[in-house]
Amino acid sequence: GAVVSQHPSRVICKSGTSVKIECRSLDFQATTMFWYRQFPKQSLMLMATSNEGSKATYEQGVEKDKFLINHASLTLSTLTVTSAHPEDSSFYICSAQYGGTYNEQFFGPGTRLTVL
Amino acid sequence: ILNVEQSPQSLHVQEGDSTNFTCSFPSSNFYALHWYRWETAKSPEALFVMTLNGDEKKKGRISATLNTKEGYSYLYIKGSQPEDSATYLCAFTGNTGKLIFGQGTTLQVKP
Repeated sequence: GAVVSQHPSRVICKSGTSVKIECRSLDFQATTMFWYRQFPKQSLMLMATSNEGSKATYEQGVEKDKFLINHASLTLSTLTVTSAHPEDSSFYICSAQYGGTYNEQFFGPGTRLTVL
Repeated sequence: ILNVEQSPQSLHVQEGDSTNFTCSFPSSNFYALHWYRWETAKSPEALFVMTLNGDEKKKGRISATLNTKEGYSYLYIKGSQPEDSATYLCAFTGNTGKLIFGQGTTLQVKP
């Protein structure tokens, strides 16, 4: 149980294009999902918290107009990197909060974005 | 700024060796400490959630301890096997409820 999928696993795009990444909780409903980013040799950094039916909450320094988050259902959150530039190249990974006593998070396998 | 540090950054051991890693975290506003195992091209897999000072948890050959007063947790692997090769992440949860990750320890077990 508690499986989270993420699609695509890898994407290469040209500078200026937009890229959408999907995160799905396959066997549970998640009112809260999270989006993280990892640059080489660094830790996973929280970008934003996505709540079903409401606006996402962004961490300091993360541009909300660049990283659009939509959480339209209890099993799907999407992250759209708008007008991507080479500096947006990174590893993006989502998680879904399962609930439980300590609000455990279950992670997708991540998306490697390369912007040329 | 809340800082979570893991050491060592990487580790190479022989099959059968026992090993351990360290996670250091803020000792104030502690709520929980999470350990994840992350194999390449897969999702991070939750190993343990630890909340109480002195907690010890075990899952097969892997175990973890927690000291919230001094702000550290140890992860132990007994008799390492090649399938234990992965990156081990720890994450601290404070009163915000958000996960703050360390950089991870990458373990390579040679047959």
